[in-house]
Amino acid sequence: DTGVSQNPRHKITKRGQNVTFRCDPISEHNRLYWYRQTLGQGPEFLTYFQNEAQLEKSRLLSDRFSAERPKGSFSTLEIQRTEQGDSAMYLCASSGQDTHNEQFFGPGTRLTVL
Amino acid sequence: AQSVTQPDIHITVSEGASLELRCNYSYGATPYLFWYVQSPGQGLQLLLKYFSGDTLVQGIKGFEAEFKRSQSSFNLRKPSVHWSDAAEYFCAACTHSGGGADGLTFGKGTHLIIQP
Repeated sequence: DTGVSQNPRHKITKRGQNVTFRCDPISEHNRLYWYRQTLGQGPEFLTYFQNEAQLEKSRLLSDRFSAERPKGSFSTLEIQRTEQGDSAMYLCASSGQDTHNEQFFGPGTRLTVL
Repeated sequence: AQSVTQPDIHITVSEGASLELRCNYSYGATPYLFWYVQSPGQGLQLLLKYFSGDTLVQGIKGFEAEFKRSQSSFNLRKPSVHWSDAAEYFCAACTHSGGGADGLTFGKGTHLIIQP
């Protein structure tokens, strides 16, 4: 088991472009989370999947953001029409059933919007 | 609203000295509590967690934390810090009901600087 992986690690894009990030959780984990972390702040919760079902979305997740987990394994987070304010580190985490929500984090994808 | 507060933005400690990082939470019921560490260019690593039971929990890398319900606190401690402990430390919490899972609420972090 290699832990949670995220790709790409870095993404630079121009304002108005669409970007997509991928997260591969720990294989036996059925829960997957997305967070956003800006400089000098703690991570902020965006959304959560249990298997393929998206069960919770933060108010931070505007209509330009969409997340999927089509087969209950990997997940993608897409940002449409990126804005400079979207520049941040996007973190993915996973947890198993009956683990008291102990979440394991990936290395993150750093997005820079020019 | 549920929140986690880390009152100290920066803390400087001499190598070999003891460390205490403060964390307070505001939740309707006792949440699950966690401490994570983040080194530059690294992901968040879980140091320790509290769910119930013994209020003094042991973690990795020689860290421990004490849950105090009366003070709504979950402070992180280490008896003797090493230069490699320099990093950003985050306290986090989540609710737990019906076996469901919740997104974690993080504090803003405490930046730990180790003086030689």
